[in-house]
Amino acid sequence: GQSLEQPSEVTAVEGAIVQINCTYQTSGFYGLSWYQQHDGGAPTFLSYNALDGLEETGRFSSFLSRSDSYGYLLLQELQMKDSASYFCAVSSPRDNYGQNFVFGPGTRLSVLP
Amino acid sequence: GAVVSQHPSRVICKSGTSVKIECRSLDFQATTMFWYRQFPKQSLMLMATSNEGSKATYEQGVEKDKFLINHASLTLSTLTVTSAHPEDSSFYICSARDPREETGEKLFFGSGTQLSVL
Repeated sequence: GQSLEQPSEVTAVEGAIVQINCTYQTSGFYGLSWYQQHDGGAPTFLSYNALDGLEETGRFSSFLSRSDSYGYLLLQELQMKDSASYFCAVSSPRDNYGQNFVFGPGTRLSVLP
Repeated sequence: GAVVSQHPSRVICKSGTSVKIECRSLDFQATTMFWYRQFPKQSLMLMATSNEGSKATYEQGVEKDKFLINHASLTLSTLTVTSAHPEDSSFYICSARDPREETGEKLFFGSGTQLSVL
């Protein structure tokens, strides 16, 4: 089976840095993605890691350690608009064909003024 | 980026009726689309993978006869909730990958459909 774990809630103030961790257990693994979802909206893609290391995209960075089955999303210079739910997602092979995308439980980030 | 359009955004229906939700890839062709269900403040639960021209692949515990999926073209997948009941009330959301994307790991989501069954 597949399972992912994330903290349920994180609170930080504007301008701060926050790290959202994700651990996973899967029978196969292609990569780890991160998505942002505002209340009532659709998830939007933030980043993807297939190999170990850090990927940086503007204020957002994502890290992956395949050996530890662990990754994190780092958000810098927090803004009020960053208040949202953040999901990690594992992509893995499905049976003998195709690909699966399984999402973590989500972390609700609240940015305070 | 790629655009996935989902309709309707909200539907209210009586118990026992069927509801069809459409998911279209507007500027790319999607051989595969994914259907998720999301309860308030919870994660996205994969229901099924829609495959163009062939049968959908359902996740364990998802009733195939309850949630009918049709992927008749490279730009359209539909989810029909048959004989809907109040427990089917949820947020349903589709997604697809754009084959033009380098990694193929980026999912583009529709805006979702909030289904309320009375």
